[in-house]
Amino acid sequence: KNEVEQSPQNLTAQEGEFITINCSYSVGISALHWLQQHPGGGIVSLFMLSSGKKKHGRLIATINIQEKHSSLHITASHPRDSAVYICAVNKGGSEKLVFGKGTKLTVNP
Amino acid sequence: DVKVTQSSRYLVKRTGEKVFLECVQDMDHENMFWYRQDPGLGLRLIYFSYDVKMKEKGDIPEGYSVSREKKERFSLILESASTNQTSMYLCASSLVSGGYEQYFGPGTRLTVT
Repeated sequence: KNEVEQSPQNLTAQEGEFITINCSYSVGISALHWLQQHPGGGIVSLFMLSSGKKKHGRLIATINIQEKHSSLHITASHPRDSAVYICAVNKGGSEKLVFGKGTKLTVNP
Repeated sequence: DVKVTQSSRYLVKRTGEKVFLECVQDMDHENMFWYRQDPGLGLRLIYFSYDVKMKEKGDIPEGYSVSREKKERFSLILESASTNQTSMYLCASSLVSGGYEQYFGPGTRLTVT
């Protein structure tokens, strides 16, 4: 079983919809990351969390350490949000990341 | 802004060739990473370097080697390329005191024919 599981694998939404992507992990972590990858390859870090909640524009990330679960929310989704969203964790104090397989989001106009 | 650059966006090589992928970061980061990304498998760590001349194997080091002679540059070497090494290769860097955030390069899509 993978140490980091994301759901759903694929998600299609209409412009304006509220979107939630989930991430569950089975190991002790020092940080959890949400990454965005647009077609073409480049990966951008959206959030790094060790507790609570963070917000940046229309994006909100939450983490529940006790339940080993994190969510990424996108409010008022837009076609430019179409991308693969990847959850990753630092196990213990490691500098190395363990990745989920990603969620491919398509937002239709 | 941190910038991580990779030597090529697209590369086509023949089976058996020696292949060098170069990664350069401009923010004096101690840590550098090489990943490969395949459909259905996600990102997997090939090698990690935490200092000049220091390296650590990742999850899938077989068929690869690395070199870090200068702090800003981390090279991935395929000694004898094979078709199963066709993949997207991504480099990343991070600061030891930076709270684990990694900065990624644009990726190199390597095709081995």
